[in-house]
Amino acid sequence: QVQLQESGPGLVKPSETLSLTCTVSPYSINSAYYWGWIRQSPGRGLEWIGSIYHSGSTYYNPSLKSRVTISIDMSKNQFSLKLSSVTAADTAVYYCARGRFTYGFSEYYFDYWGQGTLVTVSS
Amino acid sequence: DIQMTQSPSSLSASGGDRVTITCRASQDISKSLAWYQQKPGKAPKFLLFAASRLESGVPSRFSGSGSGTDYTLTISSLQPEDFATYYCQQYYTTPLTFGGGTKVEIK
Repeated sequence: QVQLQESGPGLVKPSETLSLTCTVSPYSINSAYYWGWIRQSPGRGLEWIGSIYHSGSTYYNPSLKSRVTISIDMSKNQFSLKLSSVTAADTAVYYCARGRFTYGFSEYYFDYWGQGTLVTVSS
Repeated sequence: DIQMTQSPSSLSASGGDRVTITCRASQDISKSLAWYQQKPGKAPKFLLFAASRLESGVPSRFSGSGSGTDYTLTISSLQPEDFATYYCQQYYTTPLTFGGGTKVEIK
């Protein structure tokens, strides 16, 4: 059973950078899966932010691409999200999840999710 | 971006009822569709992929079908633990996109 756990500040000031880390256990992050970030808010619903492959290749939602950085730390079995220049519109529950692809399909779905962490953007 | 539209946005049903939820994509997604169940305060739980393939451990009362732009999730006999919100997600292309959700409530 793969477990994912988000961690990071629950309150971020406008214009600052939101930083979250996802710790994966007991499964190795250095495996043929994508590791993604998804957020959920009443106004936007579920929104894919971006993903990183175990090779380090990153894929971002174009709507957020200019502000997003996802990185991976194999030594800690973690991957991280940075979202810069946040506004109140970035207030949401942020989830990390494992992306699984199957033969014959272009992209992937999310089979394991963290519990989610609420991040509020407010001064 | 591919837009995913779910209908209805909510429904009321009783235990034992057969429930069908629809998800429509703004273009052909060639069965690249997953379904999730979410309960209040919890993360989405993965149910099906490739439009109709049930994830291991998911009860067989859940089933999916469809092709092209139109897909359905069916619960053959609603159980108390099935009252939740259901989401579809296309993985035909990035950006990956989700439907707006269908809330299944107790009648």
